This record gives sequence, C-alpha cells and structure tokens, in this order.
Amino acid sequence: ETGVTQTPRHLVMGMTNKKSLKCEQHLGHNAMYWYKQSAKKPLELMFVYSLEERVENNSVPSRFSPECPNSSHLFLHLHTLQPEDSALYLCASSQARGNNSPLHFGNGTRLTVT
Amino acid sequence: AQSVTQLGSHVSVSEGALVLLRCNYSSSVPPYLFWYVQYPNQGLQLLLKYTSAATLVKGINGFEAEFKKSETSFHLTKPSAHMSDAAEYFCAVSLTGTGGGNKLTFGTGTQLKVEL
Repeated sequence: ETGVTQTPRHLVMGMTNKKSLKCEQHLGHNAMYWYKQSAKKPLELMFVYSLEERVENNSVPSRFSPECPNSSHLFLHLHTLQPEDSALYLCASSQARGNNSPLHFGNGTRLTVT
Repeated sequence: AQSVTQLGSHVSVSEGALVLLRCNYSSSVPPYLFWYVQYPNQGLQLLLKYTSAATLVKGINGFEAEFKKSETSFHLTKPSAHMSDAAEYFCAVSLTGTGGGNKLTFGTGTQLKVEL
C-alpha cells in the first residue's frame, strides 16, 4: 500500500467519548502533520512532528492530544470534544528538511461530535 | 508572516474554456508556493509547486502557474476546462523559520464549477 492512509474515514462521537484517529504513511517521509478543515474556513495547521519530535503546536486545545510513535505513524487522541470540533481532519507527510518539500495528504477523517 | 489570498471563492467556466484561478501572496522573503486540488470526500492532491527554478511551472492534469514577483501573484491556469476539473483548489505558501517540516499556510480555496 502506498501514500497516506487515514482511519477511520468517518467518526461520530459524543462529547464524553474518547476516540483516536490514525494515520500511516508509506512514502519514507520523516515529518507528519495534522490539519483541521472546517466549512468556510482555511485549513488550520494543528500539529507538526519532524523526526518524531513535535515541533509545532498551534494553540490547540488540550482535548486534542497527538502521538507519533515512529516516522510512519501518527495518532490524534480525542476526548471531551465540543460540537465545534466537528470537521474533516487531514493527516499529511513530507520530508522534514526543506521548505519546498510538498505535503502528501490522506483522505481525511470526517468527525462529527454530537 | 507569509500568507496567501485567493480571489473568488467560486469560479464557473464552460467546458473547453480557459480556467484562471487567482492567488496572491505576501512574503518578506522569496516564497515557496503550491497549488493543491481537493475532490469531494478526498484529501488534497499536489498540482504543482514553485521553488524558484523557473517562473512558469507546469503541473499535472494540464495545469500551470506563473510566478510574478512584481505582482506578488501565482495564478493557476488551464487552457481548456474539462468536466473532471470540477473541484476545490487551494493555494499555499511555505512558512520559513526554524524547526523541521514544511508548515504550509493555505488560502481559503476556490470552488471550480465546469458547465456544459
């Protein structure tokens, strides 16, 4: 399997639930990202991991907790979410070095918080 | 700080007509610029990127973009639209600075509609 794979594709959860989003890349990259895509808003960069270290955390609420156990896997742990957290969550990967290294995206997880 | 502005949240063209999607950037240093496309229920796919090697950049699916420093623009064009081009298009600029990874800042997107 190639590219960036995200699971699940769809997730519905209540505000008191705990769930995790998973991302796996088979491109040999060493940087991974979480973006949030909400309707009528620009993509928001949430977290960046480079060489398995978190290098960016864009003031994301603590109810979102990322984990990067190795360069191929990235998780986003969710707990006590709010309805406004409903969005498409996109994972991406790239080479860690160089600002011209394009990001490769997965197909996203559509999250609905009820 | 770097940013991009996409003029026109919706663009409609006839099949076979020229496609022009506008993107202007703001950057204090020479930027790296990207165009991505997003089809329904999918992630973003790279169309092309500008990395200062050439001002006219050719991408996939017949798209190209021209970097114009004097106009701070990086507009996306395609000579002849096809129905399969209907999608949302995003312009992005790479943030410079310390730290690893490539932190892209995206525009708000332009929804392209292609009509018969």
